[in-house]
Amino acid sequence: DADVTQTPRNRITKTGKRIMLECSQTKGHDRMYWYRQDPGLGLRLIYYSFDVKDINKGEISDGYSVSRQAQAKFSLSLESAIPNQTALYFCATSDLKGLQETQYFGPGTRLLVL
Amino acid sequence: DQQVKQNSPSLSVQEGRISILNCDYTNSMFDYFLWYKKYPAEGPTFLISISSIKDKNEDGRFTVFLNKSAKHLSLHIVPSQPGDSAVYFCAASGQNYGQNFVFGPGTRLSVLP
Repeated sequence: DADVTQTPRNRITKTGKRIMLECSQTKGHDRMYWYRQDPGLGLRLIYYSFDVKDINKGEISDGYSVSRQAQAKFSLSLESAIPNQTALYFCATSDLKGLQETQYFGPGTRLLVL
Repeated sequence: DQQVKQNSPSLSVQEGRISILNCDYTNSMFDYFLWYKKYPAEGPTFLISISSIKDKNEDGRFTVFLNKSAKHLSLHIVPSQPGDSAVYFCAASGQNYGQNFVFGPGTRLSVLP
């Protein structure tokens, strides 16, 4: 079984709709992240959480919100989806050893906003 | 302005030859660097990392070189295999970023049989 899972894997929605992307992990990591990937831009950080109830904004948080109510789950919401939120979304967890951190990614959710 | 750059969007190499993927960064506060590999329809997977106190780290066929004065790192794959065909992301982190990563745009490597 995968250590980091994301649901749904693909989603098509309409402008103005609210949608939620779910992420679950079995790695027991405290840190979790949401990224989006756009062509030519790599991965950009949306939100991150270092523990349950801890929420921090990343580089591009506008238009998004998150919820971390359990160590294993971190959900991303688009309150009112817009077409430029069409992207590939990745959840990640991380293992911090000393000052060095390695992130483990889920398989991604492909979102299309019409 | 991108803080982590991968100026080659794509690279093609013959099987058995060396693949060299390059990455440049602008922020001198970055002190830890990683390479991730991504296959289609999958998430990125960690490949190899290097701390700024080193200039080389090797793991099997993969070696990462760091030139701090030039703010440049490179990933060498020797010998290249068709299964290495993927998109490779360079990432950097540092204390000033709370150890959050900044990713480059990626380089698509194609290893030709």
